[in-house]
Amino acid sequence: EVQLVQSGAEVKKPGESLRISCKGSGYTFTTYWISWVRQMPGKGLEWMGRIDPTTSITYYSPSFQGHVTISADKSISTAYLQWSSLKASDTARYYCARLENSCSGGSCYTYWGLGTLVTVSS
Amino acid sequence: DIQMTQSPSSLSASVGDRVTITCQASQDIINYLNWYQEKPGKAPKLLIYDASNLQAGVPSRFSGSGSGTDFTFTISSLQPEDIATYYCQQYDSLPYTFGQGTKLEIK
Repeated sequence: EVQLVQSGAEVKKPGESLRISCKGSGYTFTTYWISWVRQMPGKGLEWMGRIDPTTSITYYSPSFQGHVTISADKSISTAYLQWSSLKASDTARYYCARLENSCSGGSCYTYWGLGTLVTVSS
Repeated sequence: DIQMTQSPSSLSASVGDRVTITCQASQDIINYLNWYQEKPGKAPKLLIYDASNLQAGVPSRFSGSGSGTDFTFTISSLQPEDIATYYCQQYDSLPYTFGQGTKLEIK
C-alpha cells in the first residue's frame, strides 16, 4: 500500500527555522516526483513545488521560489520542506503528495499525506 | 502560469439535486485536469482524472466532462456525504495550479 507519512504538527516563533518531512513507503520512492501543497487556514490548495527524488532536481512555483527549500534523501525515502526564517503568514497545513496520475488496474491514482500543521506565532 | 477559474465558490443544494461546478483554464490544457474532494481533517481525494474518468471506487453519481479550456464537474443526485469542498487542478504544465474551490452545503 502506497503511503506518504508526514511529520507531526509544529509550533514555532517568527524567525525560527523549520524542516518538515514526508516518508514514502509501499513503492519505489525514486520513481515518482513528490510535490508540496499549502493550505492556509480557511483557504484553498496551492501547489508549491516538486522534487525528483532520484536527482533532487526541483521546480518551484514562482509564488514560493526563494521562500522555501524542497529536498529529498532517497536513501531513507524521505522528502523535506524547509524554511530558514518563518513568518506568521507561513501558518498553514502542508501536504506532500504524488500528484502525477499513477495508473494501474484500469484506474489512476494520486497519493497524499495527511498534512503537517505549522503554526507560527509569537 | 495557467490560471484555473472555478465557480461557484460556494453552493447550497438539496439532497437529490443535480449539482454542477465549472472550471475554466486560461489556456488549453487538453484534458489534463483532475477533480478533488476535500473534507475537514482529511487529505484531498481524487474523484475524476483526465477530466472525465471516474477513479475506481468513486460513486457513479460523480462525473466530469470537458476539454481544452472548459470543464464541468457534476453530481447527479446530491447525497449528504457529498458535503465537502471540491477543487479542479491542472497538470498540463508547471506550476500545477488549483481552482479556488467550491464549498458545497446542504440546503
